Amino acid sequence: QKEVEQNSGPLSVPEGAIASLNCTYSDRVSQSFFWYRQYSGKSPELIMSIYSNGDKEDGRFTAQLNKASQYVSLLIRDSQPSDSATYLCAVIIQGAQKLVFGQGTRLTINP
Amino acid sequence: DAGVTQSPTHLIKTRGQQVTLRCSPKSGHDTVSWYQQALGQGPQFIFQYYEEEERQRGNFPDRFSGHQFPNYSSELNVNALLLGDSALYLCASSFGRRYEQYFGPGTRLTVT
Repeated sequence: QKEVEQNSGPLSVPEGAIASLNCTYSDRVSQSFFWYRQYSGKSPELIMSIYSNGDKEDGRFTAQLNKASQYVSLLIRDSQPSDSATYLCAVIIQGAQKLVFGQGTRLTINP
Repeated sequence: DAGVTQSPTHLIKTRGQQVTLRCSPKSGHDTVSWYQQALGQGPQFIFQYYEEEERQRGNFPDRFSGHQFPNYSSELNVNALLLGDSALYLCASSFGRRYEQYFGPGTRLTVT
């Protein structure tokens, strides 16, 4: 089982709709979770971090964490074509300093 | 506020050669981590430097080595290059034990 798993997509969403991206992780004691956005040919950009169960909102982005289910998600409201990118879920494994990434979900927003 | 910088942007090397990649962390950051990203995959952790010492290492062979300087900048060295070392090499910086890491633009290494 991979440490962090994401559906590789592609996920296609119409402009203005809500895009929902999902991630599961295997280490039950992980405490820190991140979402990065990566445009084609560019480096990952940190867009959200979440440490506690529940929802965290930042503008059009909402991160959701459920530690009991070992599940973290990212919702993008009012999706824009500029949101088209690969979204990487990353987890800090307990006791380590390294980020462990999923393979990323490719999101396309259709005008 | 200067972000993370990396050099060079692109590099082409021949199998068996050695390469050095450089990274300057974001202003105020003291920790540098290096990642390798193959096409279509998520970044893979190589190692992390803090206070000029390697604090943690991923599953990479000894051909991969690094260094951190007193000004917190860092180098990644790869010896005896293999075709499979072709990838985007990413440097990320953070402050102390804060987990939020910010990436530089990366160095695209091609081994022929």
